[in-house]
Amino acid sequence: AQKITQTQPGMFVQEKEAVTLDCTYDTSDPSYGLFWYKQPSSGEMIFLIYQGSYDQQNATEGRYSLNFQKARKSANLVISASQLGDSAMYFCAMREGPSSGSARQLTFGSGTQLTVLP
Amino acid sequence: DADVTQTPRNRITKTGKRIMLECSQTKGHDRMYWYRQDPGLGLRLIYYSFDVKDINKGEISDGYSVSRQAQAKFSLSLESAIPNQTALYFCATGALQDPYNEQFFGPGTRLTVL
Repeated sequence: AQKITQTQPGMFVQEKEAVTLDCTYDTSDPSYGLFWYKQPSSGEMIFLIYQGSYDQQNATEGRYSLNFQKARKSANLVISASQLGDSAMYFCAMREGPSSGSARQLTFGSGTQLTVLP
Repeated sequence: DADVTQTPRNRITKTGKRIMLECSQTKGHDRMYWYRQDPGLGLRLIYYSFDVKDINKGEISDGYSVSRQAQAKFSLSLESAIPNQTALYFCATGALQDPYNEQFFGPGTRLTVL
């Protein structure tokens, strides 16, 4: 079974509108972390936001927020007031287990290509 | 200057050739990782290293080897390159003490095996 599922290969949004990128995950570990990365056409991976499994509140970073629904195992990324520069590939990733003590690797989803229309 | 650098940035090679991709970091991180990215598959982990004496296989280590020459350097080798190793390769680092286990990525190396 896929550990991270991103069901939207491509999304379009009008500039200044909000957009939600979906991510569902599968783990039996009670301690885990969820990440979103942005990959523009230049190729680099840019960290956007993090949510820990024990965090009581949804994470927010500027125009990015993470809609964390633990019971549904979903961690959707919400981008408010989209800008043309937001056009990129977006990856959801998960770290299973606690972050301390070992080299915990990330498992990535297949990504969603977001295009912001002027 | 970038904190995580990869060389070369682009490489075209032929089947059967030995290739080394290098990664250097100035972040002082203990953890280093090698991923490959294929269209539609996201990033998959090849190898990771906890420190200089620690090397671990990831999800897709067959056909690859690594060397952690120093805390700051982690190289990936393809002993005999084959066309299905054509991909974008990323090095990443992480701090042992980081409570989030965030990973910082290099700019990537685009490898084409003909």
